[in-house]
Amino acid sequence: QKEVEQNSGPLSVPEGAIASLNCTYSDRGSQSFFWYRQYSGKSPELIMFIYSNGDKEDGRFTAQLNKASQYVSLLIRDSQPSDSATYLCAVTQGGYNKLIFGAGTRLAVHP
Amino acid sequence: DVKVTQSSRYLVKRTGEKVFLECVQDMDHENMFWYRQDPGLGLRLIYFSYDVKMKEKGDIPEGYSVSREKKERFSLILESASTNQTSMYLCASKGPGQGGNGYTFGSGTRLTVV
Repeated sequence: QKEVEQNSGPLSVPEGAIASLNCTYSDRGSQSFFWYRQYSGKSPELIMFIYSNGDKEDGRFTAQLNKASQYVSLLIRDSQPSDSATYLCAVTQGGYNKLIFGAGTRLAVHP
Repeated sequence: DVKVTQSSRYLVKRTGEKVFLECVQDMDHENMFWYRQDPGLGLRLIYFSYDVKMKEKGDIPEGYSVSREKKERFSLILESASTNQTSMYLCASKGPGQGGNGYTFGSGTRLTVV
């Protein structure tokens, strides 16, 4: 079982719709959870992080965390073509807070 | 803004060569990391360092070593490059803050071993 699992996609949504990206993790000791966006040929950039159960909103992005179910998700409202990218879920592990990444979900927003 | 600089954007090396990938950060961060990224596999941690001269193995350290002689510089070494080490290599630096709140990535080095 992979430590962090994501559906590879592609997830295709029309412009203006809500995109829902999901991630499950195996280590119950993980404390911090992150979503990175990566455009083709570029390095990952942090878009959201969440530490506590529940929802966290930042502009068009909402991160949701359920530690009991070991599940974290990212919602993108009013999706734009510029949101087309690979979204990486990452969780901390161990005493040095090293980040373990999922393989990523490719999102395609079409006009 | 924190800047993490990787010395080469693209590298082509021959099988058996010793390869050095350099990473420099400018924010006095203690923690630095080397990942490789391959299609369908995401980012996998090779090695990390939490202080000068300190290093820890990540999930896939075989065939690699690292060096951290100065706080700002973290080098990844391929002792004898092989074709299965062809990949995108990403360096990251972590500052204060919980988990990836402080993670910043370099622009990556795409290494091809022929």
